[in-house]
Amino acid sequence: DQQVKQNSPSLSVQEGRISILNCDYTNSMFDYFLWYKKYPAEGPTFLISISSIKDKNEDGRFTVFLNKSAKHLSLHIVPSQPGDSAVYFCAASARRNDMRFGAGTRLTVKP
Amino acid sequence: KAGVTQTPRYLIKTRGQQVTLSCSPISGHRSVSWYQQTPGQGLQFLFEYFSETQRNKGNFPGRFSGRQFSNSRSEMNVSTLELGDSALYLCASSLATGVVQETQYFGPGTRLLVL
Repeated sequence: DQQVKQNSPSLSVQEGRISILNCDYTNSMFDYFLWYKKYPAEGPTFLISISSIKDKNEDGRFTVFLNKSAKHLSLHIVPSQPGDSAVYFCAASARRNDMRFGAGTRLTVKP
Repeated sequence: KAGVTQTPRYLIKTRGQQVTLSCSPISGHRSVSWYQQTPGQGLQFLFEYFSETQRNKGNFPGRFSGRQFSNSRSEMNVSTLELGDSALYLCASSLATGVVQETQYFGPGTRLLVL
């Protein structure tokens, strides 16, 4: 059961522009959401998270927005840099470490 | 502080064999989770261990098993390997302080190829 969905397998943006990665979930019990970045041949690296009590969390160039009513979250990267090119995974959990991941979105930032 | 380490990094096995993968969590982390990553499927949760006990389990057959030792190191075993078991197996650790919302930190993974 795909409780977390990333419907765009890939995204290409120009350097300096905004990258918006989207994620939808179906389980209303999820209360903690995370974004991970993954380079080839490496494990996922934690990027940013948000609790269900918030609707926005910002860390430098990265901002995560949560819309609980729509069961939707998004990751904004501004400005995008070529080094941001990677696969981005959205994850959600309802309790402790029972985390569900989306299939990932491959972001390509063109110089 | 050293990150999560996994051994071996690469493994080639044949159908029917069994395999054991190892994971050493970040020092002080007490929870270890295992995931399978295949192309197009994202990360599929296998199981989580805490205090040497399996605390959560995903929807994988009984051929997939694991254990955790008193030093929090964990092993994952897959018996009677099938071609479809070819994947990247990732281990993640977290502090497990009792706080509900925790961040997991991943190792580099073990790439398993079943021929």
